[in-house]
Amino acid sequence: DIQMTQSPSSLSASVGDRVTISCRASQSINNYLHWYQQKPGTAPKLLIYAASSLQSGVPSRFSGSGSGTDFSLTISSLQAEDFATYYCQQSYSTVVTFGGGTKVESK
Amino acid sequence: QVQLVQSGAEVKKPGASVKVSCKVSGHTLSELAMHWVRQAPEEGLEWMGGYDPEDGEITYAQKFQGRVTMNEDSSTDTAYLELSSLRSEDTAVYYCVTESCSSGNCCFDNWGQGTRVTVSS
Repeated sequence: DIQMTQSPSSLSASVGDRVTISCRASQSINNYLHWYQQKPGTAPKLLIYAASSLQSGVPSRFSGSGSGTDFSLTISSLQAEDFATYYCQQSYSTVVTFGGGTKVESK
Repeated sequence: QVQLVQSGAEVKKPGASVKVSCKVSGHTLSELAMHWVRQAPEEGLEWMGGYDPEDGEITYAQKFQGRVTMNEDSSTDTAYLELSSLRSEDTAVYYCVTESCSSGNCCFDNWGQGTRVTVSS
């Protein structure tokens, strides 16, 4: 199976900060990489698909980049509603795998 | 807009089976590719299996092979997940999710609200 490694596992930030989360695949996955946001007690929500495409309705402060094995999710100016856990997921393989998650907390 | 509504919480004893349902509205289930993802308490997301459009078959994660069954009732647009031989480690929230693909690049764009399954003696 393709292993997805996210870093950091958690971070503390303030409203207005620029936040970047990394995701590394154990082999090349082209751009078959997607990002989700999950808030406590709720289902995950798709933010970015195909590494860099913004899902409809998602604020433009979210962006994704990368290809091959290294990817990142950036929040250009963190808002109060962005404190959550973020997951990357690969769909290059029929066996889907997720990263371990990155919890963004208030500093 | 696709909406997925799952069945309610379940409490099961070790060794028992559980069947979770996922009712689709806003679309016909036969036109969707359904997957199941679970999340143990304070843990990350774990894919259990789902429909593979390339071969028209359901692919299960190896970890669950022999214990899991995913099927659908097209007459009611309802998908089902059945997990047998439950153990405490199966305590989790189970999500049905639908897949959206663009040029073969597929992501999970619609999620059910989740069904909490607790396995306890």
